[in-house]
Amino acid sequence: AQKITQTQPGMFVQEKEAVTLDCTYDTSDPSYGLFWYKQPSSGEMIFLIYQGSYDQQNATEGRYSLNFQKARKSANLVISASQLGDSAMYFCAMRRTNTGNQFYFGTGTSLTVIP
Amino acid sequence: GAGVSQSPRYKVAKRGQDVALRCDPISGHVSLFWYQQALGQGPEFLTYFQNEAQLDKSGLPSDRFFAERPEGSVSTLKIQRTQQEDSAVYLCASSLDGRFATNEKLFFGSGTQLSVL
Repeated sequence: AQKITQTQPGMFVQEKEAVTLDCTYDTSDPSYGLFWYKQPSSGEMIFLIYQGSYDQQNATEGRYSLNFQKARKSANLVISASQLGDSAMYFCAMRRTNTGNQFYFGTGTSLTVIP
Repeated sequence: GAGVSQSPRYKVAKRGQDVALRCDPISGHVSLFWYQQALGQGPEFLTYFQNEAQLDKSGLPSDRFFAERPEGSVSTLKIQRTQQEDSAVYLCASSLDGRFATNEKLFFGSGTQLSVL
């Protein structure tokens, strides 16, 4: 069963504008963690931001923020003031404690920043 | 080391050949993971080590895939009798400890791109 769903295969955004990348997840566990990773063309997965299922506030890391809506099981990534270097694949991931140390990844969203 | 290092960066193999992919995790990291990433897809879990112990190998697609981490640091993923469907990027990741903490993030290498002809 698909545990992480990213419905946007590709997105375009104008430089300096904000963009939202969608992510929904499926779990019945009370405790879980949600992550966003960036994968540029070099291939390395770069950690961006983390949200815990019990966190009361939405996570923020610089230009990245996570719009966490627990009841809807969504964890959308918001990138503000887009830069050309933000062009990359973006993956949403979930870690569930009852599956040990497995991370589940979505299929990713390709973001292109237009100058 | 400063980050997770994987070698080789690219590997081309003829169908039927055996290959060995190396991962050198961040020094001191207890947990090590292997993932397979097909073109246009997200990473899929293969196997997990805590120190030298392989605690989960449920994602290995067949008995042609074998992973080891004999001294709890460097790991090798071996694929025997490679087939075209094995073509993918193989990512290695490590994390600091072995607790099942939901906030423990993974640090990834740049991957090995395997092409089987």
